[in-house]
Amino acid sequence: AQKVTQAQTEISVVEKEDVTLDCVYETRDTTYYLFWYKQPPSGELVFLIRRNSFDEQNEISGRYSWNFQKSTSSFNFTITASQVVDSAVYFCALNHRDDKIIFGKGTRLHILP
Amino acid sequence: DGGITQSPKYLFRKEGQNVTLSCEQNLNHDAMYWYRQDPGQGLRLIYYSHIVNDFQKGDIAEGYSVSREKKESFPLTVTSAQKNPTAFYLCASSAVWQETQYFGPGTRLLVL
Repeated sequence: AQKVTQAQTEISVVEKEDVTLDCVYETRDTTYYLFWYKQPPSGELVFLIRRNSFDEQNEISGRYSWNFQKSTSSFNFTITASQVVDSAVYFCALNHRDDKIIFGKGTRLHILP
Repeated sequence: DGGITQSPKYLFRKEGQNVTLSCEQNLNHDAMYWYRQDPGQGLRLIYYSHIVNDFQKGDIAEGYSVSREKKESFPLTVTSAQKNPTAFYLCASSAVWQETQYFGPGTRLLVL
């Protein structure tokens, strides 16, 4: 069975600090996809990244970076020099082959000015 | 602009009433999905549709119904059989099944 665990329910950091959101997943499949979504206070989920299981290269997009490690079944998300606009709930998600996407319960991130 | 629209933004339901949530997309996506989100929880899949005129139950389909008569539309009806309908409902679509899902702005359903 698939499972996504986001152990950090809520995190608060001061603006300009770096912050890492953890995501640990479980799957028996060798081919799967991992995702991160951002849910700002408005409620709409915003797609951030999709990574397939065969690509372990780290990804950087501006202040965002993702660290995918199959050895530890983790797909962590780091925000560098955080800003107040980064305050949101962040969801990690997993799917494989013909199965549906499984979402973690999310991490609520507060960036304090 | 291409995207997904959901209406209304807020919806109030009386006891014993059926209500329908609208979801429209102009992205030419084949697959569409409905999720329910409760406070502090992740997303739970209600129904999904791989292609027009076809749909399947998700994890929590009881008390809900859908139709997919047009590619761009996937309305969700919350029936009176759903005893705890208060939640935030999100619609999503993807180009094909299992590709990246893109979400609408959501509908918040409240019971009077």
